[in-house]
Amino acid sequence: QQQVKQSPQSLIVQKGGISIINCAYENTAFDYFPWYQQFPGKGPALLIAIRPDVSEKKEGRFTISFNKSAKQFSLHIMDSQPGDSATYFCAASINDYKLSFGAGTTVTVRA
Amino acid sequence: DADVTQTPRNRITKTGKRIMLECSQTKGHDRMYWYRQDPGLGLRLIYYSFDVKDINKGEISDGYSVSRQAQAKFSLSLESAIPNQTALYFCATSVNRNYGYTFGSGTRLTVV
Repeated sequence: QQQVKQSPQSLIVQKGGISIINCAYENTAFDYFPWYQQFPGKGPALLIAIRPDVSEKKEGRFTISFNKSAKQFSLHIMDSQPGDSATYFCAASINDYKLSFGAGTTVTVRA
Repeated sequence: DADVTQTPRNRITKTGKRIMLECSQTKGHDRMYWYRQDPGLGLRLIYYSFDVKDINKGEISDGYSVSRQAQAKFSLSLESAIPNQTALYFCATSVNRNYGYTFGSGTRLTVV
């Protein structure tokens, strides 16, 4: 049973549009929430991360929104570009322990 | 050279065979992990090791074993491969979670 539930499984967005991926968790002991990006044929790579004492974190066109009371967090990709086409994984961990990953979302950006 | 190297990149094996997947890293990290990736299931942790003498089971360790031969080497074995172990396997290393995991490029294993 996955500890982090991710949706949607896939999405298609036009170039310049906004991609939104959502994740939910139950374990309130989670204290670190990263997002990983994976291109075909490659391993995942850290994209951006947030801690529960912050409601939003932005790095370039990528933003994490965090809602502690709802136990949800989301990744927004603004001004989506074809080079953003990849699979995105949310994850969570407790006390610098092992990461639990979501099921992944395949994002396709159409030019 | 890649920071985390996995061998082989692709492997087809028969049911019941023993197979070893190897991972070596040049990052100098103490922590190493084995994950498997399946469509719709994401990445699931098989085993992890926080140093050479520390080996821990992950979520789905049944049917797998590991060996940490050195700080830089962490191998995964399937004692008797079965078809539902067909998957993409990733090795990863880390200093700690804040710096992220460094993943290898994966081993695609097919059990027929």
